[in-house]
Formats: sequence, structure tokens, C-alpha cells
Amino acid sequence: KNEVEQSPQNLTAQEGEFITINCSYSVGISALHWLQQHPGGGIVSLFMLSSGKKKHGRLIATINIQEKHSSLHITASHPRDSAVYICAVERDSNTGKLIFGQGTTLQVKP
Amino acid sequence: NAGVMQNPRHLVRRRGQEARLRCSPMKGHSHVYWYRQLPEEGLKFMVYLQKENIIDESGMPKERFSAEFPKEGPSILRIQQVVRGDSAAYFCASSPMGRSYNEQFFGPGTRLTVL
Repeated sequence: KNEVEQSPQNLTAQEGEFITINCSYSVGISALHWLQQHPGGGIVSLFMLSSGKKKHGRLIATINIQEKHSSLHITASHPRDSAVYICAVERDSNTGKLIFGQGTTLQVKP
Repeated sequence: NAGVMQNPRHLVRRRGQEARLRCSPMKGHSHVYWYRQLPEEGLKFMVYLQKENIIDESGMPKERFSAEFPKEGPSILRIQQVVRGDSAAYFCASSPMGRSYNEQFFGPGTRLTVL
């Protein structure tokens, strides 16, 4: 079993829909990251969080440390949000080394 | 402030050749991570380096792979005697500090194809 599991693996939505991607992990962590990988392959860091909730534009990330679970929400989704969303955790606070989920492929249709 | 630079963006090698992948971190960043993404698989940690030091190489294959981050110049990931299974996208990321709670900035990746 992977240490970081994401669901769903694939998600198709209509433009304007509210989207939720889930991430569960089975190990103790010092921080959790959400990343976006574009169809061209480039990776962008969206959020880094260790507790609570963060918001940036139409994106919201939450984490529940007790339940070992995080969610990424996209409000008013748009076709340009189509990408792979990756959850990653840091186990070792001294190195920042990341352990990745398999990613969620999101397609937003106009 | 330029982002993380990687070159080449695409690299084709024949089996048995050497591949050298370069990563220039963002200005002011002295911590570099290398990650590998095999086809149809997720990203996997390979190695974490600071200037002139390898801090954690627990994700590096035992043979043929090496990494360095010299005092001057880019970080280099070197793969000797490449095999078809080495075909993958190799990403580096940099951060100002190697500790937790620091965002990592990713380069565009080098896509290695072994013929």
C-alpha cells in the first residue's frame, strides 16, 4: 500500500463545477504539499501546509492532521484548470524530502 | 529572478552511453532535490544535496547513478551506461532551506529517452 493515496485517480468536470481531490496518508508528516503538473509536464507548487486551511484565488487546501487527510478544492472550475494534481508529504522535517501520491488527472470541459 | 533551470530539456541516448542532467537552482537557494517520474508512474525522490554535500541519497539506484552539487556551478545528475529503463522525466527542485515548511520550486524537467 502506498504511503500517500489520492482519490479519485481521474476526474472529469464541467466548467463552473466545484471540484474536490482527496489525499490520505499513513505516516507521520511534518508538512503536506499540493502540486500541479501541466500537460506539458512542468510542475508548480500550489500549497504547502501543516495545519488548517489555505486559500489562493479559486483554490483551497485543507488538512486534518488527526485523520491524516487533506483535500484540494477548486471553485468555479475552468478548462485551464485541467492538469494532474499531486499530493506530496514530508516525513522528515530535517530534509524536506517529498513522498508523492500517484496524482489525480483532472479534465474540465467547457 | 530566474526560476529553476534544467538542461537539456530533452536528451536522447543509446544504451551504454552516459547521460548528464544539469540543474541550476533559483538564486539564493542552496538546497537541491532530484526526482524521477517513470512513464505512467508518480514522482519518486532520488537525492537531496546541499552545496558540496549529499544529504540524503536513499532514493538513488545503487549502481550507475551519481549526483553532485559543487560549490560553483549547477547540480549534476549523472547516469552511466544507460539502459532503456532509465527513460523518464527527471525533475530537480530547489529551496532556500532543506528543512520542512519550505516550498520547493521545480524546474521544467529533462526528458531522457534511451534507445
